[in-house]
Amino acid sequence: AQSVTQLGSHVSVSEGALVLLRCNYSSSVPPYLFWYVQYPNQGLQLLLKYTSAATLVKGINGFEAEFKKSETSFHLTKPSAHMSDAAEYFCAVSGNSGGSNYKLTFGKGTLLTVNP
Amino acid sequence: NAGVMQNPRHLVRRRGQEARLRCSPMKGHSHVYWYRQLPEEGLKFMVYLQKENIIDESGMPKERFSAEFPKEGPSILRIQQVVRGDSAAYFCASSPLKDRSNTEAFFGQGTRLTVV
Repeated sequence: AQSVTQLGSHVSVSEGALVLLRCNYSSSVPPYLFWYVQYPNQGLQLLLKYTSAATLVKGINGFEAEFKKSETSFHLTKPSAHMSDAAEYFCAVSGNSGGSNYKLTFGKGTLLTVNP
Repeated sequence: NAGVMQNPRHLVRRRGQEARLRCSPMKGHSHVYWYRQLPEEGLKFMVYLQKENIIDESGMPKERFSAEFPKEGPSILRIQQVVRGDSAAYFCASSPLKDRSNTEAFFGQGTRLTVV
């Protein structure tokens, strides 16, 4: 069984400030982890993914995330926020073994607001 | 290479009517997944299909919902006798045949169903 917890349903930062979106997971098998971004009335766009290679993963638009097995975390960061980063962000987990490893389990999302 | 195409983007149905949502996977993709996003919730897995086969429908409501992915044409998610609680965004994702762990899935822009 897998689950994802995103701490903070709403995060507000100033333009140029650090972005930190938190994600903790639980998984009975070694996980694959993902961050997706959803702009208003749009689909999901993959930002980055961890698939058991390097624990620090770099994605698009300057985002990165670090897989920490001891903390069961996969927090998303960006050094300097842009206005265009305002969107909803979803963390997701799937398993890299087992019968239903194709199934993505999503967190409830974090809405990021960027203030000028 | 076009992405995952879903239509319609917006669908309004009266209670008791049928809703048909279509999804054309990316070229070369053999796996199709449907997810539902209720207001202020993350995406929830509904069903996983390959051509002419339902692989996993564990997330589908037991009644009124069905899905198919015929040999020719798009995948269809069908909701009979819709109720207000069916109002949600329905997303389709597709991935290549070799992608057993769904790490290469791409999402469509979704169909937003409103039941009035």
